Amino acid sequence: DIVMTQSPDSLAVSLGERATINCKSSQSVLHSSNNKNYLAWYQQKPGQPPKLLFYWASARESGVPNRFSGSGSGTDFTLTISGLQAEDVAVYYCQQYYSRLSWTFGQGTKVEIK
Amino acid sequence: EVQLVESGGGLVQPGRSLRLSCAASGFTFYDYALHWVRQVPGKGLEWVSGISWNSGNTGYADSVKGRFTISRDNAKNSLYLQMNNLRPEDTAFYYCGKDKGDYGDFGGYFDLWGRGTLVTVSS
Repeated sequence: DIVMTQSPDSLAVSLGERATINCKSSQSVLHSSNNKNYLAWYQQKPGQPPKLLFYWASARESGVPNRFSGSGSGTDFTLTISGLQAEDVAVYYCQQYYSRLSWTFGQGTKVEIK
Repeated sequence: EVQLVESGGGLVQPGRSLRLSCAASGFTFYDYALHWVRQVPGKGLEWVSGISWNSGNTGYADSVKGRFTISRDNAKNSLYLQMNNLRPEDTAFYYCGKDKGDYGDFGGYFDLWGRGTLVTVSS
């Protein structure tokens, strides 16, 4: 299985400041046939199911605010929240879907307000 | 309203069976692959099983292979997970998830989730 490792496990950011979450895969999730990175990001607020934020590493899901951005390629990816809002407090997960029927998630990164 | 609603969770003894259901509404059910993803309370996410639009393709995590069976009934807009020989390590919230992939095949990422149903395996 492809192992997804996120860093940090948690971070506290002041309102309006930037939050950066990293995700590293144990092997490349960039598919040579279409030059796409098979990487998704989810947000999970307390007591709620996960919500899709990005797919193909940087394609924003409909309704996701512009302060969220996804970047990276190959094995290294980043989720950035530019201007943290109180409603962004959540656990964020990356997920690879490169390995068909063997999809795996990172361990999660908890974002809190400083 | 576009939604998925899971049911069927509960407390069950090790070695026993349980069947989860997921009722879908608000979208064309048979156009999409569907999945089960679980989460131990307070822990991370684990993909469990997936099924293509016509049940032609299914897959399972190694941790449940041979014990769990996924199925769907497109006429009833419903997804199921038959869980046999349950173990304490199967204790988790089980989420039903809609695949965002095209043509009913696996895209592998999930754009709609239910609120989950809790399965507790304990004697």
